[in-house]
Amino acid sequence: AQTVTQSQPEMSVQEAETVTLSCTYDTSESDYYLFWYKQPPSRQMILVIRQEAYKQQNATENRFSVNFQKAAKSFSLKISDSQLGDAAMYFCAYRSLGQEYGNKLVFGAGTILRVKS
Amino acid sequence: EAGVAQSPRYKIIEKRQSVAFWCNPISGHATLYWYQQILGQGPKLLIQFQNNGVVDDSQLPKDRFSAERLKGVDSTLKIQPAKLEDSAVYLCASSPSSGGRVFEQFFGPGTRLTVL
Repeated sequence: AQTVTQSQPEMSVQEAETVTLSCTYDTSESDYYLFWYKQPPSRQMILVIRQEAYKQQNATENRFSVNFQKAAKSFSLKISDSQLGDAAMYFCAYRSLGQEYGNKLVFGAGTILRVKS
Repeated sequence: EAGVAQSPRYKIIEKRQSVAFWCNPISGHATLYWYQQILGQGPKLLIQFQNNGVVDDSQLPKDRFSAERLKGVDSTLKIQPAKLEDSAVYLCASSPSSGGRVFEQFFGPGTRLTVL
């Protein structure tokens, strides 16, 4: 079974600075998707960024980018120019492409990001 | 397009009572998921529907939890009887069956359940 580990329960960043959230995962599959979701206090899960495992190029979405290291099974999220609105819980998630695992998301435990003004 | 709708947003019940949550997915989304998110943890899949058929319910405590998706649209998740450890946020999500975003899941705002 796949597992996702987020080793940082909490992180802090100064407004306008850069922060990196870590995620590692365990899988025997070669093809899969990885996601970062943001969950603000309102509880609405919002997709931040996704990465297809077959793509070597790291995904970017405006101020958000990932460092995907497939061999190391590492998938970190970098937030540049941090804003107060970035404060939330961030979840790393894995999605198998294999039929036997369906298409459920396997989530890490989350990292709380605090942004200081 | 309208997002995933869930109700109620909050529910407080006594242990051994029953409770039901409702979810309306994004129009046209064939796949519907129910996740349980205990405080301080990531969401865990309870059940997945493809249209009105169950794809995965391996982590659903079937002695007390039940779910249905009538006509392949709305879904209801029920707990009967509730236990203290059922206190959590229950998230509903949906995903399309075709198109460029088929591998994404779109989440509702969740229902926070407190069992006293």
